[in-house]
Amino acid sequence: DIQLTQSPSTLSAIVGDRVTITCRASQSISTWLAWYQQKPGKPPKLLIYKASGLESGVPSRFSGRGSGTDFTLTINSLQPDDFATYYCQQYDSFPGTFGQGTKLDIK
Amino acid sequence: EVQLVQSGAEMKKPGESLKISCKGSGYRSTSYWIAWVRQMPGKGLEWMGIIYPGDSDTRYSPSFQGQVTISADKFTNTAYLLWSSLRASDTAIYFCARSAAAGTYFFDYWGQGTQVTVSS
Repeated sequence: DIQLTQSPSTLSAIVGDRVTITCRASQSISTWLAWYQQKPGKPPKLLIYKASGLESGVPSRFSGRGSGTDFTLTINSLQPDDFATYYCQQYDSFPGTFGQGTKLDIK
Repeated sequence: EVQLVQSGAEMKKPGESLKISCKGSGYRSTSYWIAWVRQMPGKGLEWMGIIYPGDSDTRYSPSFQGQVTISADKFTNTAYLLWSSLRASDTAIYFCARSAAAGTYFFDYWGQGTQVTVSS
């Protein structure tokens, strides 16, 4: 299985900050990477696909970059609604593994 | 409008069997994969397996192979997750999710989740 390692595991920030979450794959996955946001008691929500494609309806303050093994999710000008847990997921090969998650909380 | 509606919460005893469901609407079932994802209490997301209802092609994560069975009915656009003998360690929320497009395996629509509690 391809392993995905996210960093940091927890990130504290305030409204208005710019934050970056990293996802590293154990082998090259080209750009077959998605990012999700999950809030407590809710299913995940797709934010980014194919490393940098913004899902319809997702605010433009979210952006993704990367290819091969190293990827980032950046949130510009954090809003109160953005405090949540974020997961990356590779879909280069079965099984489509998830990263362990990054919890973004209020400083 | 695309929707995935999952069956309700279940409370079971160890050794019992269970089948939970995920009914899709607003799209053609034969064009998308449906995955099952586990989330244990306070933990992250785990990809269990995926099925293509059009021909029932099913792939399992090695961690879940032999532990669960995934099936689907293309006529009712419903996917299922089955346990023949539950364990306490199966206690979790289980999500179904639809692939965003044919031939791709990231997910744009998710069910609301089914809480499964296994306790004696």
